[in-house]
Amino acid sequence: ETGVTQTPRHLVMGMTNKKSLKCEQHLGHNAMYWYKQSAKKPLELMFVYNFKEQTENNSVPSRFSPECPNSSHLFLHLHTLQPEDSALYLCASSQAALARNTGELFFGEGSRLTVL
Amino acid sequence: GENVEQHPSTLSVQEGDSAVIKCTYSDSASNYFPWYKQELGKGPQLIIDIRSNVGEKKDQRIAVTLNKTAKHFSLHITETQPEDSAVYFCAASRSKLTFGTGTRLQVTL
Repeated sequence: ETGVTQTPRHLVMGMTNKKSLKCEQHLGHNAMYWYKQSAKKPLELMFVYNFKEQTENNSVPSRFSPECPNSSHLFLHLHTLQPEDSALYLCASSQAALARNTGELFFGEGSRLTVL
Repeated sequence: GENVEQHPSTLSVQEGDSAVIKCTYSDSASNYFPWYKQELGKGPQLIIDIRSNVGEKKDQRIAVTLNKTAKHFSLHITETQPEDSAVYFCAASRSKLTFGTGTRLQVTL
């Protein structure tokens, strides 16, 4: 296993469902991130965790709930989503949270979410 | 906050030709400018970056130039190959990384 792994790769859910996205990094990094990627829009940073502590929440609606049990794992719990939440959700990691500003982010392949 | 604009949104070139993607940024204090390549079904991957104390950086067939006065930076790909086909994102950062909207590059045979 190498890099950043995201599961599931595809997810279809109804607006009343509860589901979770999982991310695991095997790079020994201390910071992990959730990004939302929508067509023709810039990548939107959602959450940042540094050493398991949430350091940034970019005004994300509470129907998205992140969890970071350790520096290698990151979850995004989804509940009562809206159709406009359909997007590609990308997980990323870096050596430390500050590194995201002037260093390399390592992205997973993303989880394609469709909300019906 | 920072605003990054990226052009063009799509670009088609013939194999062997050069491709140029341009970005402008609004925050004159931004000091780090990475470029990411996203292939179909994959996550973005850093291909080159430049810091504000450097005007140009080159890595084999790719190069990035930075004009701090005009607040714009560009990605140059020479001798394009089919495997260069992807979506390219620029970004700018002072304290927070802000991405452009992406350029879909298609290299045709």
